[in-house]
Amino acid sequence: AQKITQTQPGMFVQEKEAVTLDCTYDTSDPSYGLFWYKQPSSGEMIFLIYQGSYDQQNATEGRYSLNFQKARKSANLVISASQLGDSAMYFCAMRPRSGAGSYQLTFGKGTKLSVIP
Amino acid sequence: DTEVTQTPKHLVMGMTNKKSLKCEQHMGHRAMYWYKQKAKKPPELMFVYSYEKLSINESVPSRFSPECPNSSLLNLHLHALQPEDSALYLCASSHSERWGLAGDTGELFFGEGSRLTVL
Repeated sequence: AQKITQTQPGMFVQEKEAVTLDCTYDTSDPSYGLFWYKQPSSGEMIFLIYQGSYDQQNATEGRYSLNFQKARKSANLVISASQLGDSAMYFCAMRPRSGAGSYQLTFGKGTKLSVIP
Repeated sequence: DTEVTQTPKHLVMGMTNKKSLKCEQHMGHRAMYWYKQKAKKPPELMFVYSYEKLSINESVPSRFSPECPNSSLLNLHLHALQPEDSALYLCASSHSERWGLAGDTGELFFGEGSRLTVL
């Protein structure tokens, strides 16, 4: 079974500053993917970034980067130069790459980010 | 704009009504999903369709009835719902249920959701 832990229920960040959202995970699967999704108040779950468990380099997508530390089982999301539109709920998620449970996308409880002008 | 389209965006229904939620994707994905999300909670998986066949049913009550008419469409038929079924219902799709194809990074693409209120 997989478990995702997001310990920050809410975070505040000043506009144009960088912010790190924490995510730790637990799994016995040898190969897996880690994902971050953004959910604005409108409800849509927007895919932000993906990190494979065997990827050597940390993933980056524009202002988003993933600080992946496999030994520590952490996959923190870094948002640089925060914008007001970044205010949303952010979910960390994990999916095994093989086995009977590979359909399962396990979510953390989420972190609500508020960007202050 | 999302490539997974859900209708309606909002639905209010009584406990005796029959209604349906619809989901459409044109990305050629072979797996489609229904999730239920209560306020301030993460999404919970309800159903998985793989190649138009029901693959996973996470012990969902029979008042929720999924249907996959073709590889692009996924419906969720609702009948005799309870007020506690009020939630955001999210549809998603992915390349396949069984991850691992070359070039497939395994992400699920979600729609905007259908916000359901049961009176």
